[in-house]
Amino acid sequence: KQEVTQIPAALSVPEGENLVLNCSFTDSAIYNLQWFRQDPGKGLTSLLLIQSSQREQTSGRLNASLDKSSGRSTLYIAASQPGDSATYLCAVKRWTGANNLFFGTGTRLTVIP
Amino acid sequence: DTGVSQNPRHKITKRGQNVTFRCDPISEHNRLYWYRQTLGQGPEFLTYFQNEAQLEKSRLLSDRFSAERPKGSFSTLEIQRTEQGDSAMYLCASSLETGGTNTEAFFGQGTRLTVV
Repeated sequence: KQEVTQIPAALSVPEGENLVLNCSFTDSAIYNLQWFRQDPGKGLTSLLLIQSSQREQTSGRLNASLDKSSGRSTLYIAASQPGDSATYLCAVKRWTGANNLFFGTGTRLTVIP
Repeated sequence: DTGVSQNPRHKITKRGQNVTFRCDPISEHNRLYWYRQTLGQGPEFLTYFQNEAQLEKSRLLSDRFSAERPKGSFSTLEIQRTEQGDSAMYLCASSLETGGTNTEAFFGQGTRLTVV
């Protein structure tokens, strides 16, 4: 069974700081990994998708890396802004078996103005 | 709006009543997923469809739950004889699976169910 862990569970930083969110997964046979953002009471917004053959993806101030062999991914947010405050979830899709995404419990980020 | 649409956004129901939720996926997407999310947790998989065929169901999907996607477009999720433990956010997602590698999943805004 695939288990996904996200550390830390909560993070509070001052505006402008760069930060890293961590995601680890137990089964390295993944098809892809996706990072999402979730605002309170809302659905999920896809941020970045990394294929199993890729090592990183970038979108604006966001950079996600993937080290499949060690079962780790990081989401780097540069020059954080108060509007970045949200819960960030990572999810992995396996090569075989279930076609669904396995989610971590998320990191709740607060950026203080 | 070309994203995934879910209705209703909120539903409050009395224990024992039946409820039905609807999901309209992105129009060209052939895969549709249902997830359930409780407070402080990540979403958990319930079931998914490839076009109109329901291909997989999680153990979380008890016999009180049923999902359909009759024409391979929108989907409905029905919960019969609701229990307080069914209170959660129900999320729908869709993706385009063509045998390629980009299977990015897009989620709707969810339906928040409260059973009183």
